[in-house]
Amino acid sequence: QTVVTQEPSVSVSPGGTVTLTCGLRSGSVSTSYHPSWYQQTPGQAPRTLMYNTNTRSSGVPDRFSGSILGNKAALTITGAQADDESDYYCVLYMGSGISVFGGGTTLTVL
Amino acid sequence: QLQLQESGPGLVKPSETLSLTCNVSGGSITSSSYYWAWIRQPPGKGLEWVGSISYGENTYYNPSLRSRISISADTSKNRFSLKVMSVTAADTAVYYCARHHTTLAGRYFGLWGRGTLVTVSS
Repeated sequence: QTVVTQEPSVSVSPGGTVTLTCGLRSGSVSTSYHPSWYQQTPGQAPRTLMYNTNTRSSGVPDRFSGSILGNKAALTITGAQADDESDYYCVLYMGSGISVFGGGTTLTVL
Repeated sequence: QLQLQESGPGLVKPSETLSLTCNVSGGSITSSSYYWAWIRQPPGKGLEWVGSISYGENTYYNPSLRSRISISADTSKNRFSLKVMSVTAADTAVYYCARHHTTLAGRYFGLWGRGTLVTVSS
């Protein structure tokens, strides 16, 4: 059973920069896993933020960026705003049609 | 503008079969660039990919659910469906359908339905 790891919770000050990561319990994440990121606020459907590691989905502000940092995929928010306070999920493509979600990170802006 | 809308019973009894349909409007499910996916989220928990179906009706299932699920497509009605058999309380979740982008340019869930809550209870 593949396990995709994310920080359960992270906090950032308004205007600050924060990086969320997406890793594998066993192994390193590379671009071949096609990392993607999703933002979800309570009661709402997820919103696609980033795909193919670092391509922003339509309408996503450029203060969101994606990368590979070390052995993990990363989502960086530069200049955090109050409405960035959400749950963030990553997905890795494992091959053979299989996708796996991370457990999600709750971001608090305070 | 492509839209997806889930529909189905909101309450299912334990041991029975959960059946949901995703109606797609504003575009065709027969595009070779996309699969069509089901994703679920138990109350207060994270997202879980359930499975996907391709234009050629190849199916891909979460290994942990494979023995109990089935995804099919009805191209004449531009919709796809999910069945989960022998449900338990653990299958209680909001079920989302989504367009699953599956090209070398990216493999991701690009468009989501609003979701529908299914509760398993007697």
